[in-house]
Amino acid sequence: DAGVTQSPTHLIKTRGQQVTLRCSPKSGHDTVSWYQQALGQGPQFIFQYYEEEERQRGNFPDRFSGHQFPNYSSELNVNALLLGDSALYLCASSSRLAGNIQYFGAGTRLSVL
Amino acid sequence: RKEVEQDPGPFNVPEGATVAFNCTYSNSASQSFFWYRQDCRKEPKLLMSVYSSGNEDGRFTAQLNRASQYISLLIRDSKLSDSATYLCVVNKYSSASKIIFGSGTRLSIRP
Repeated sequence: DAGVTQSPTHLIKTRGQQVTLRCSPKSGHDTVSWYQQALGQGPQFIFQYYEEEERQRGNFPDRFSGHQFPNYSSELNVNALLLGDSALYLCASSSRLAGNIQYFGAGTRLSVL
Repeated sequence: RKEVEQDPGPFNVPEGATVAFNCTYSNSASQSFFWYRQDCRKEPKLLMSVYSSGNEDGRFTAQLNRASQYISLLIRDSKLSDSATYLCVVNKYSSASKIIFGSGTRLSIRP
């Protein structure tokens, strides 16, 4: 049973570019949440997708957008990249029927130069 | 004020010691609570859920005090492999679930 998978594992971009990160949830999970984790900080909640809709959003600008597909996989898009967007981006999947416990993927490490 | 606050540490304790972390949360509507463990450059992994009645898993004990809005984690007989960052997590549910992480407490166990 595959856990949460994310791609790519590492990414280098320059300021102003756009990036798309991908996530496949754990089998049986229908909810995907995205987090940004800066060095030395805890993960910061970006948004959560359920039934292909954004259900909750943290304090992130509109440059951060997402999508959930019918197979529950999800994408995170970031436009007009800033140096401060450099971080580890974590995807977590969960199921409301299983207590909303978050299971994390290994993350995508984004460096913006 | 942050919604979930933790002492960042680092806690540096000898192998075999008992160590305790606290975490406070500000939103009384918070409904479920967890401790996650994160090793360096790895993803967070669930350590244990936290219940009002308190719960124990081997050397680990978690407690929740809703009146004072804090959560604790106790590690007994610490091992070198316990060295990690421990993240306090609060789930509050309104129209949807929102998970809030603390910044984490770093623990280092020395031989």
